[in-house]
Amino acid sequence: NAGVMQNPRHLVRRRGQEARLRCSPMKGHSHVYWYRQLPEEGLKFMVYLQKENIIDESGMPKERFSAEFPKEGPSILRIQQVVRGDSAAYFCASRPGVSSPLHFGNGTRLTVT
Amino acid sequence: DQQVKQNSPSLSVQEGRISILNCDYTNSMFDYFLWYKKYPAEGPTFLISISSIKDKNEDGRFTVFLNKSAKHLSLHIVPSQPGDSAVYFCAALMDSNYQLIWGAGTKLIIKP
Repeated sequence: NAGVMQNPRHLVRRRGQEARLRCSPMKGHSHVYWYRQLPEEGLKFMVYLQKENIIDESGMPKERFSAEFPKEGPSILRIQQVVRGDSAAYFCASRPGVSSPLHFGNGTRLTVT
Repeated sequence: DQQVKQNSPSLSVQEGRISILNCDYTNSMFDYFLWYKKYPAEGPTFLISISSIKDKNEDGRFTVFLNKSAKHLSLHIVPSQPGDSAVYFCAALMDSNYQLIWGAGTKLIIKP
């Protein structure tokens, strides 16, 4: 059973470009979470999704950021018009139910130049 | 406002000795706590958890203690091994809320 798969592992974008981060949850997991980790900080919740639904996006910036988890395919975190402050590690996690521990992917490290 | 605090950014321990990582929280509504371990360039890995109805949970070399009155929990690793060198995150959860609240992490260094 493959773990949570994130790609790409590293992503470099120039200011103003778009960044697309992909996450395939573990098999059987319908709950997907995105977290952001800034240098020297813990993980910050961004968004919680179930298939085709955004359950909670209270941790996500109101502008330029969006997330989806379609019926088929991976979850996508999309950042439009990236700025230097978006440089961070973005982690995806999944679990089969809310009472189960989260399983994390290895993250996507976004660098904005 | 940091609801979960790990006040030690780093900790250095001799191989074979006990490592004790501490975590304090402020919200008395938290009722489930988890420890995650993270190596560089990898995602966090779940280590051990404890429900607020317990004061101790043990899994092999890892034991988590919870002191609800002090709003404090600790992770004990005995004996410490070189592979334990990593960043350890404490996280808390309210049953009615799926959001994990994370501490900033403690970097554990095991010296040979």
